[in-house]
Amino acid sequence: DAGVTQSPTHLIKTRGQQVTLRCSPKSGHDTVSWYQQALGQGPQFIFQYYEEEERQRGNFPDRFSGHQFPNYSSELNVNALLLGDSALYLCASSLEGGPRTYEQYFGPGTRLTVT
Amino acid sequence: AQSVAQPEDQVKVAEGNPLTVKCTYSVSGNPYLFWYVQYPNRGLQFLLKYITGDNLVKGSYGFEAEFNKSQTSFHLKKPSALVSDSALYFCAVRDNIGTYKYIFGTGTRLKVLA
Repeated sequence: DAGVTQSPTHLIKTRGQQVTLRCSPKSGHDTVSWYQQALGQGPQFIFQYYEEEERQRGNFPDRFSGHQFPNYSSELNVNALLLGDSALYLCASSLEGGPRTYEQYFGPGTRLTVT
Repeated sequence: AQSVAQPEDQVKVAEGNPLTVKCTYSVSGNPYLFWYVQYPNRGLQFLLKYITGDNLVKGSYGFEAEFNKSQTSFHLKKPSALVSDSALYFCAVRDNIGTYKYIFGTGTRLKVLA
């Protein structure tokens, strides 16, 4: 049973560029959340996708956007990259309903460096 | 607004001794509370949760946590620490009234000394 997978593992981009990060949820999970974890900080909630819709958003600008596909996988897009966007981006999946609702399973993350 | 505080950046304990990692929270409704552990260069691993019911929650690897509504706390505990428990621990909260947003604390680094 595959856990949450993310690609790529590492990424280096230049200021002003655009980036797309990808996430495949744990088998059987239907909900995907994205987090930004700066060095030495806790994860910050970016948004959550369920049934291919963004149903909750954290305090992130519109430069951050996402998508969820019919197979529940998800993408995080960041436009007009800033130096401050350098962080570990974590994807977490969960299953809506049932005894394990609210339990999030995290991927290993994508380390984004903006130069 | 939801918030979580982990007042200790680091906790040191000798192997075999009990450990406590502190967490306090603030939410509008009733809280859903979680503990996660993060090993170097890895994602977060779920340890345990409190949703409702018994205030003492048991989780993975021998960890447990006690929900205290009056003190708005959810401290993580383990009766006997192992060196392998050394890692970064995060407390998280989610409100139960119409939000799907999880708020994480800043983390507490646990160091278990041999």
